[in-house]
Amino acid sequence: GNSVTQMEGPVTLSEEAFLTINCTYTATGYPSLFWYVQYPGEGLQLLLKATKADDKGSNKGFEATYRKETTSFHLEKGSVQVSDSAVYFCALSDNYGQNFVFGPGTRLSVLP
Amino acid sequence: DAGITQSPRHKVTETGTPVTLRCHQTENHRYMYWYRQDPGHGLRLIHYSYGVKDTDKGEVSDGYSVSRSKTEDFLLTLESATSSQTSVYFCAIRGAVSTDTQYFGPGTRLTVL
Repeated sequence: GNSVTQMEGPVTLSEEAFLTINCTYTATGYPSLFWYVQYPGEGLQLLLKATKADDKGSNKGFEATYRKETTSFHLEKGSVQVSDSAVYFCALSDNYGQNFVFGPGTRLSVLP
Repeated sequence: DAGITQSPRHKVTETGTPVTLRCHQTENHRYMYWYRQDPGHGLRLIHYSYGVKDTDKGEVSDGYSVSRSKTEDFLLTLESATSSQTSVYFCAIRGAVSTDTQYFGPGTRLTVL
């Protein structure tokens, strides 16, 4: 079946540092790929997504590229802020929004 | 904002008692989902609904039942709560335009003592 693997962390960075959170997946067909962010005490918010190979999703300075050859969707940001402290989930779904599979989440802490 | 609310937001109950969690959406979405979130597991699907009175099981459905008598409401019931059901529960809807995407409510933190 489909699966998502991501580094569990926690990841601790200083403000303005470069961020990479690795995500790899196993899936049949051509899934859509997502990054969701969960701030403390809140639900999951869609951060970005990509629906086909070589697509780049981007939002709020975060980026991730759908790499089919390496089955990866790594999340990057050039300069993190304290306000980026949250848990980040990599996920995939089929094209109908069914069969969502989530990674375990990566907790990011950004220190001033 | 997908217009999803969940109630209650926090609940503490005792083992063996019934518990019902409510998810309410305001945008007439057909598909709704219940997940539980546990450390190290990400989110796991409990049940989902694809229309009024149409529901199906997810990955971790044992001990849970659901009902959907109106488009806007999706109820999750724990018939006899156990400590292993202590978790954070999230409701989600499938996007109407971006049909490959799910949007989540704020969650309910349930503690079973």
